[in-house]
Amino acid sequence: DTAVSQTPKYLVTQMGNDKSIKCEQNLGHDTMYWYKQDSKKFLKIMFSYNNKELIINETVPNRFSPKSPDKAHLNLHINSLELGDSAVYFCASSFGAQGYEQYFGPGTRLTVT
Amino acid sequence: RKEVEQDPGPFNVPEGATVAFNCTYSNSASQSFFWYRQDCRKEPKLLMSVYSSGNEDGRFTAQLNRASQYISLLIRDSKLSDSATYLCVVGGGGATNKLIFGTGTLLAVQP
Repeated sequence: DTAVSQTPKYLVTQMGNDKSIKCEQNLGHDTMYWYKQDSKKFLKIMFSYNNKELIINETVPNRFSPKSPDKAHLNLHINSLELGDSAVYFCASSFGAQGYEQYFGPGTRLTVT
Repeated sequence: RKEVEQDPGPFNVPEGATVAFNCTYSNSASQSFFWYRQDCRKEPKLLMSVYSSGNEDGRFTAQLNRASQYISLLIRDSKLSDSATYLCVVGGGGATNKLIFGTGTLLAVQP
């Protein structure tokens, strides 16, 4: 019974393509997040949704667009992929948005060639 | 100054050793503090929350010093399975109190 799941696990694509990553949690949490972990292993928040409302939007290129159809799902669409987008993208969820414990998905390893 | 700073290591220790990790944070308004563990090519997993009074979970002890803006993690009787990267995480304060992750400290426990 996976708590936070992401698809796909691996994504290899060419520059300029558009791709989506999906995330689902079955923990009953009301807040979901997208993080990017780069090659230096630095984990940085990109977006956060609380009850389907965007509450954190860090300085991220507008090629990245999150969508939360309901509290249990948060998807990430990336347009016009660039080499620098290569990273591991983690989805996470928590009860509440005030810095509570977060539970992470297994990650999506994106490679842009 | 980084918002959350950790010694990147690696810390190479023999089995059974006691090892301590330190972390400092820059935002005095921070309200929540955690240690996460990340195994190679895996997701971060919550190890323990850190409370002002200090807290212990088996072989792991976490301490918080708000005055010095300093967090520590002590691991006693290290096991091979403790080998991982340990991430210091701080709720950044403010309206959203988003979590700020340190870059992690790599621990390698040797047989």
